[in-house]
Amino acid sequence: DTGVSQDPRHKITKRGQNVTFRCDPISEHNRLYWYRQTLGQGPEFLTYFQNEAQLEKSRLLSDRFSAERPKGSFSTLEIQRTEQGDSAMYLCASSLGEDEQYFGPGTRLTVT
Amino acid sequence: GQNIDQPTEMTATEGAIVQINCTYQTSGFNGLFWYQQHAGEAPTFLSYNVLDGLEEKGRFSSFLSRSKGYSYLLLKELQMKDSASYLCAVRDHSWGKLQFGAGTQVVVTP
Repeated sequence: DTGVSQDPRHKITKRGQNVTFRCDPISEHNRLYWYRQTLGQGPEFLTYFQNEAQLEKSRLLSDRFSAERPKGSFSTLEIQRTEQGDSAMYLCASSLGEDEQYFGPGTRLTVT
Repeated sequence: GQNIDQPTEMTATEGAIVQINCTYQTSGFNGLFWYQQHAGEAPTFLSYNVLDGLEEKGRFSSFLSRSKGYSYLLLKELQMKDSASYLCAVRDHSWGKLQFGAGTQVVVTP
């Protein structure tokens, strides 16, 4: 059984560049979540998919952020025109219905 | 508003017991979760309470009082590997968005 995987694990980019992260959930999980975590804080909810439908987006998710889950399996999170404030750990989690969420290892983004 | 409070740091000796308290004020409630997070790693699920009372899983137990907006995580027979951040999270709707506290850093000393 493979857990949630994320790629890349680390990304360093210059301010103004676009970045895209990928999340592969546990295969039978229908729900997929994106969170963002900064040092010393708990994860903050960004967005949620049930199958391929994006059902909620946080107000934290500005129009520079977009997420997709085109076939209800893997998901991508894109950040356009990155800013230094976007530097954080981006975590993906998946669950089967209301069961507990399993987190991936995260993608650490550094914007210089 | 949404507010989840837990202590910033706790220190305990190997073999001892530590209790991490969490209080919450959220617009809805559909379960309280505890996660463990080692530095640089993903959170891992520890326990879940949706009804009042105590849930025991090996060395870890979690308690919930919905009327008081209060939960605690009890770690028994502490081991060095238990040094980590412990995150309290409330699910406010059935579909599962989690709202996390800032985490409690537990330091286990020899």
